[in-house]
Amino acid sequence: EVQLVESGGGLVQPGGSLRLSCAASGFTFRTYNMNWVRQAPGKGLEWLSYISYSGTTIYYADSVKGRFTISRDNAKNSLYLQLHSLRTEDTAVYFCAREESGWYYLAYWGQGTLVTVSS
Amino acid sequence: DIQMTQSPSSLSASVGDRVTITCRASQSISNYLNWYHQKPGKAPKLLIYAASTLQSGVPSRFSGSGSGTDFTLTISSLQPEDFATYYCQQSYYNPRTFGQGTKLEIK
Repeated sequence: EVQLVESGGGLVQPGGSLRLSCAASGFTFRTYNMNWVRQAPGKGLEWLSYISYSGTTIYYADSVKGRFTISRDNAKNSLYLQLHSLRTEDTAVYFCAREESGWYYLAYWGQGTLVTVSS
Repeated sequence: DIQMTQSPSSLSASVGDRVTITCRASQSISNYLNWYHQKPGKAPKLLIYAASTLQSGVPSRFSGSGSGTDFTLTISSLQPEDFATYYCQQSYYNPRTFGQGTKLEIK
């Protein structure tokens, strides 16, 4: 069974940093491209970042480019999102999701981890 | 960036109704259009990919159509478990983008 479990969320002050993790199991992690998506309270889904299976290709949404860094450790079956220079508007539930090859849809999602940016 | 616009933003319907949600892309995305629904406090769930392909395990009352810039999601006979928020997403370009969502509520 495919499982994605996010962790690392919490309360952080504006300007602070946080590292989110996504632990993958039930599939060959090193062969799948991965994504991060977030959802602010009461708002819609916002795509944030993509990393290819090898880690060599990375994309970001403009809203987080230069502040967030996506990475992966295929030996540990783990995906990461490093968050820097956090703003109150970064408060959201952060989801990791597995991308399927061919049509690039997100078939599997984690349950999400909540990041709250507040003083 | 590709803008995805859904309509309506909200919709009230009854069990058994036929419902259609539309999604328009700001430029052609071929058939790289996916539909998800999400219930409060839960992760999104994939319903349809490649504009019209039903994800495994999704009931056949859901269907999708369209190509290029205009797409539709149809639910042929609403069931109680279908009341949720629906999102389209294009996967043709980076950055990937979602529509703003359509909240489907019980009338």
